[in-house]
Amino acid sequence: DGGITQSPKYLFRKEGQNVTLSCEQNLNHDAMYWYRQDPGQGLRLIYYSQIVNDFQKGDIAEGYSVSREKKESFPLTVTSAQKNPTAFYLCASSITGQGATQYFGPGTRLLVL
Amino acid sequence: GDSVTQMEGPVTLSEEAFLTINCTYTATGYPSLFWYVQYPGEGLQLLLKATKADDKGSNKGFEATYRKETTSFHLEKGSVQVSDSAVYFCALSDDNQGGKLIFGQGTELSVKP
Repeated sequence: DGGITQSPKYLFRKEGQNVTLSCEQNLNHDAMYWYRQDPGQGLRLIYYSQIVNDFQKGDIAEGYSVSREKKESFPLTVTSAQKNPTAFYLCASSITGQGATQYFGPGTRLLVL
Repeated sequence: GDSVTQMEGPVTLSEEAFLTINCTYTATGYPSLFWYVQYPGEGLQLLLKATKADDKGSNKGFEATYRKETTSFHLEKGSVQVSDSAVYFCALSDDNQGGKLIFGQGTELSVKP
């Protein structure tokens, strides 16, 4: 089946630790996105990438980093600089072009120990 | 900047009631508009979309019309079911920023039998 997978489903972070969230897609999409969702709020864009080896900061990039070495993969690292990392993280992908639909993965819930 | 405002929830309806969730937007260009649905603990699923003024998106009995004159994209369904209970997000795409989605805060719908 074509789709987007995210792992793990739950992730626990200790103080001062970097953690990496995985996002893989087999939809052959060029564009990939990372969003953060906090309770009772909409989603906010962290980073996006429209092509391999290139990515741009979104609205809340501080304390996060990404890479795009392969078309299928767009991992997100939550660094120790992110002081409030507890949230639900959603990855999405789409073709490029006006009005393209973004398809979302099942999400990773990050909790701080 | 661009923004989306949707009616606050939670909204509680009886089965077979009529549903309207209001959504208005502010945009400098001509965005595409989307409704996504999120079930508990899951990612977002596209419900419907419209890419230009006067377009009507529809799916699973839901529909919304892109009204440029009132900058609105209200979601409607004639007869809701218990299975429609979820959080609904209105969003617009900003094609000047890699197609990123700008979301409203979400409206929680609860349908009682």
